[in-house]
Amino acid sequence: KNQVEQSPQSLIILEGKNCTLQCNYTVSPFSNLRWYKQDTGRGPVSLTIMTFSENTKSNGRYTATLDADTKQSSLHITASQLSDSASYICVVSARNQFYFGTGTSLTVIP
Amino acid sequence: DVKVTQSSRYLVKRTGEKVFLECVQDMDHENMFWYRQDPGLGLRLIYFSYDVKMKEKGDIPEGYSVSREKKERFSLILESASTNQTSMYLCASSPPGEYYGYTFGSGTRLTVV
Repeated sequence: KNQVEQSPQSLIILEGKNCTLQCNYTVSPFSNLRWYKQDTGRGPVSLTIMTFSENTKSNGRYTATLDADTKQSSLHITASQLSDSASYICVVSARNQFYFGTGTSLTVIP
Repeated sequence: DVKVTQSSRYLVKRTGEKVFLECVQDMDHENMFWYRQDPGLGLRLIYFSYDVKMKEKGDIPEGYSVSREKKERFSLILESASTNQTSMYLCASSPPGEYYGYTFGSGTRLTVV
């Protein structure tokens, strides 16, 4: 069964600290993996997309990694800011279908 | 700036009412989607459309219908709203293929009382 699992479900960190969010998937055949950021009450916005051949990709303070062999991805946030408080959703695509994780809720506190 | 616009941010409707959720995109995308998002369940696909007047059922179509009369507009219809349809509804659009991903609207928070 094609599934996407994210961990942790929720996370609270102090402003300025780093954190890493995890995404494990069983989707096959893999096409690409995308991380979205969803602010409260808003629609998700794409942060990064990674294809099979890419191991790492950065977008400012966000760095995504992909290990296609173990079917794992991570999103690392450096020097967190209060505006990073949001839900982060991992989406894996295969055969023109998109499989969503349930998200990690991140709260950054001053 | 490209956009997917959902007509209402918040809606409160009564049980049994017919509810229309409107979505318009200005990117000339072929594909449009309706999802609902509930805590702990993530996004679940209700209906999608790859072309005008075309529609396909997603994972949870029961109690919903859709209309796509024009390329830029995709409407979600709740024929007879029920309390278990209280949710956040997200519209998205995309070009053909998997690489480009979705552009989402800001969502409509629907409460059925």
